[in-house]
Amino acid sequence: QQPVQSPQAVILREGEDAVINCSSSKALYSVHWYRQKHGEAPVFLMILLKGGEQKGHEKISASFNEKKQQSSLYLTASQLSYSGTYFCGTVDPEFGNQFYFGTGTSLTVIP
Amino acid sequence: EAGVAQSPRYKIIEKRQSVAFWCNPISGHATLYWYQQILGQGPKLLIQFQNNGVVDDSQLPKDRFSAERLKGVDSTLKIQPAKLEDSAVYLCASSSGRGVYNEQFFGPGTRLTVL
Repeated sequence: QQPVQSPQAVILREGEDAVINCSSSKALYSVHWYRQKHGEAPVFLMILLKGGEQKGHEKISASFNEKKQQSSLYLTASQLSYSGTYFCGTVDPEFGNQFYFGTGTSLTVIP
Repeated sequence: EAGVAQSPRYKIIEKRQSVAFWCNPISGHATLYWYQQILGQGPKLLIQFQNNGVVDDSQLPKDRFSAERLKGVDSTLKIQPAKLEDSAVYLCASSSGRGVYNEQFFGPGTRLTVL
């Protein structure tokens, strides 16, 4: 039930854009996005819910395609501080709303 | 607002020994999670509490791992006996409601090394 993310890793120059994808084999009710810097705990970025509701940071944008069971995180005009590993997370209502983190995407922004 | 507190931050033990980790969630947060994060992987949910009841513990290796949340606040995760493959960072997180709708706040984690 673990969501699969793509790409696994990406290197950007400052100012460039990136898209991180998250795919699930099961129906999605919500998708969470977190960023984890090396040696630190994950930090919340955004939640997307069925029906289009979103909760999160204004500078982060994401999409949620319920039909395709996919979500994408859009990072525009990347900054050095965007470097880290990005995880999506999904909830499986068939398993008591158990939370699954995705496989992760390592993002490195270079000057 | 104080964040999620965890202790100890680091622990080194021999295999077959026991170890316990402590977590104090954000005040008022009903939901508490314990995750295991092995180096290079995403966090894996071990157990989820709603107040002091267990919502899900399907991925908790119950032959060696146990967890409790007394009075719906602090929580303790124990490993007895530890194996080499238990070496990981153990993360505690809390949220104000159920996971579908609410962000999780993570503590700094406990890095466990089993020798």
